[in-house]
Amino acid sequence: AQTVTQSQPEMSVQEAETVTLSCTYDTSENNYYLFWYKQPPSRQMILVIRQEAYKQQNATENRFSVNFQKAAKSFSLKISDSQLGDTAMYFCALTTGNQFYFGTGTSLTVIP
Amino acid sequence: DSGVTQTPKHLITATGQRVTLRCSPRSGDLSVYWYQQSLDQGLQFLIQYYNGEERAKGNILERFSAQQFPDLHSELNLSSLELGDSALYFCASSVVSQLNTEAFFGQGTRLTVV
Repeated sequence: AQTVTQSQPEMSVQEAETVTLSCTYDTSENNYYLFWYKQPPSRQMILVIRQEAYKQQNATENRFSVNFQKAAKSFSLKISDSQLGDTAMYFCALTTGNQFYFGTGTSLTVIP
Repeated sequence: DSGVTQTPKHLITATGQRVTLRCSPRSGDLSVYWYQQSLDQGLQFLIQYYNGEERAKGNILERFSAQQFPDLHSELNLSSLELGDSALYFCASSVVSQLNTEAFFGQGTRLTVV
């Protein structure tokens, strides 16, 4: 069975600062993908970034980057230069190709 | 626009009633997932269909059922509704068997049971 754990229900960050959201997961599969999804107040689920488990290089997407520690089964999201539009719920997700498993989410508030 | 269409966007109904939520997946996606998101909660996986067949089942109540039709659209049927069924119901689609694909989400159907 696959599990995804997000231990930070809520976080806040000052505008223009950097924040890191944590995610740990468990799977016995060797091949899998990890994702971070953003859910703003509009409730639309938006893909932020993805990481292939077989790649050691951490994925980056503009101001968003991940710290992928495969041995520790850790997949944290770093948001640099936080903007007010980053205020949202962030979900970590794992797929082994069959279905998607989501964490319980971290509510991030960017403070002006 | 994710390419996944869910209808209706909002639904208000009374306890004991039955409703049907509809989802049209992205063109080319064979897999459809249904998730329930209650207020301030995470996404609870309900059920997955792949090319018309049930592929995986999560914490779906017996009062709930789903199906995927030959044109690949899917419907989630909720019956004997209770107040606690009020939630946002998401449909997502993907190309299963391709590990690098993401799940594309619809905008959700907000169900309010009164």
